[in-house]
Amino acid sequence: DAGITQSPRYKITETGRQVTLMCHQTWSHSYMFWYRQDLGHGLRLIYYSAAADITDKGEVPDGYVVSRSKTENFPLTLESATRSQTSVYFCASVAGGAYNEQFFGPGTRLTVL
Amino acid sequence: AQSVAQPEDQVNVAEGNPLTVKCTYSVSGNPYLFWYVQYPNRGLQFLLKYITGDNLVKGSYGFEAEFNKSQTSFHLKKPSALVSDSALYFCAVRDVNYGQNFVFGPGTRLSVLP
Repeated sequence: DAGITQSPRYKITETGRQVTLMCHQTWSHSYMFWYRQDLGHGLRLIYYSAAADITDKGEVPDGYVVSRSKTENFPLTLESATRSQTSVYFCASVAGGAYNEQFFGPGTRLTVL
Repeated sequence: AQSVAQPEDQVNVAEGNPLTVKCTYSVSGNPYLFWYVQYPNRGLQFLLKYITGDNLVKGSYGFEAEFNKSQTSFHLKKPSALVSDSALYFCAVRDVNYGQNFVFGPGTRLSVLP
């Protein structure tokens, strides 16, 4: 199916564990983004990528690592999860061109105990 | 720096009445403006955008938005609200001078009462 998918949709983990959230898009969009959504903060950009092997930090990158070896995949890794990383994580993609809108995945709800 | 404000956390409106969700922005260059809607347990869905041209932009589900450059606003409107319009609405801006990054407002929760 065409679109943008995220897995898992729900994840519970413990403090200190490594967690990887997956994002896959089928449009071959050049740009991909990771956001976290928390009450009172709206959407905050964690990392983004302009193309395969090109990534850059967003507003709240600490504690997160990304990679993009293929255009269609943009995994987000929490190297050592903390309770403050409990959140809903959204992946998004957009075609090149500043006037294009983003397309969002369904989100991953992560709970760190 | 870019920024977006949505001055109302919550908007309540009766079904059938017109609705407005407010958004103001700040950018250094020309803005590209977007509205998204989020239903419970879902990702954000694109509603409409302003790039250039006519200040009144029409989008999905009967929504429209008016761009006002002098007031740096981009308010979302609908002539007649439906209960199914109840959701979280986000305004976003992209400054062409800052590449592909979007800046989102904090969101406004719209409740349409039957």
